[in-house]
Amino acid sequence: GNSVTQMEGPVTLSEEAFLTINCTYTATGYPSLFWYVQYPGEGLQLLLKATKADDKGSNKGFEATYRKETTSFHLEKGSVQVSDSAVYFCALSERWEGSNYKLTFGKGTLLTVNP
Amino acid sequence: DAGVIQSPRHEVTEMGQEVTLRCKPISGHDYLFWYRQTMMRGLELLIYFNNNVPIDDSGMPEDRFSAKMPNASFSTLKIQPSEPRDSAVYFCASRAGLAGYNEQFFGPGTRLTVL
Repeated sequence: GNSVTQMEGPVTLSEEAFLTINCTYTATGYPSLFWYVQYPGEGLQLLLKATKADDKGSNKGFEATYRKETTSFHLEKGSVQVSDSAVYFCALSERWEGSNYKLTFGKGTLLTVNP
Repeated sequence: DAGVIQSPRHEVTEMGQEVTLRCKPISGHDYLFWYRQTMMRGLELLIYFNNNVPIDDSGMPEDRFSAKMPNASFSTLKIQPSEPRDSAVYFCASRAGLAGYNEQFFGPGTRLTVL
């Protein structure tokens, strides 16, 4: 079945440090890939996505490139802020049973950014 | 739009009691998802609906769990009887359209504690 593996946290960085959160996936077809972010006490919200190989998703200074050859979708940010402290989830969406799609999530990575 | 609305935000109950969680999806969204989040198991898909019809309930842990969607603007997740191991945060999410790359919008969650 489909699966998503992301680096275990927690990750603790100082403000303005470089961030990488690794994500790899296993899928039988051609999934779309996503990063969702969950701020404390809130639901998940979409951070960025990519729908085909070599696409780069970007938002709020975060980037991730869909690498089919390495089945990866690593999240990066050049300079993190305290407000980026949250849990980050990598996910894939693939067709399931005809025309239905559902998301498969990784376990999440807690990021804490200190001033 | 108000986003996905869930109620209650917090629920504390005793083992054996019936619990009902409620969700109002974003107007016009034709897919609705129920997830459960725990530290041990991460984010799990319980069930999802398309146009009010349950499509996949394979994630529902056991017969104590049931979900309904009587109309396009309301869904419930019921646990009867509840057990301490049901303690978790339950999220509802909705999505517009068939495409697997379309964004899922999450509600703020219901934190359930079963004593």
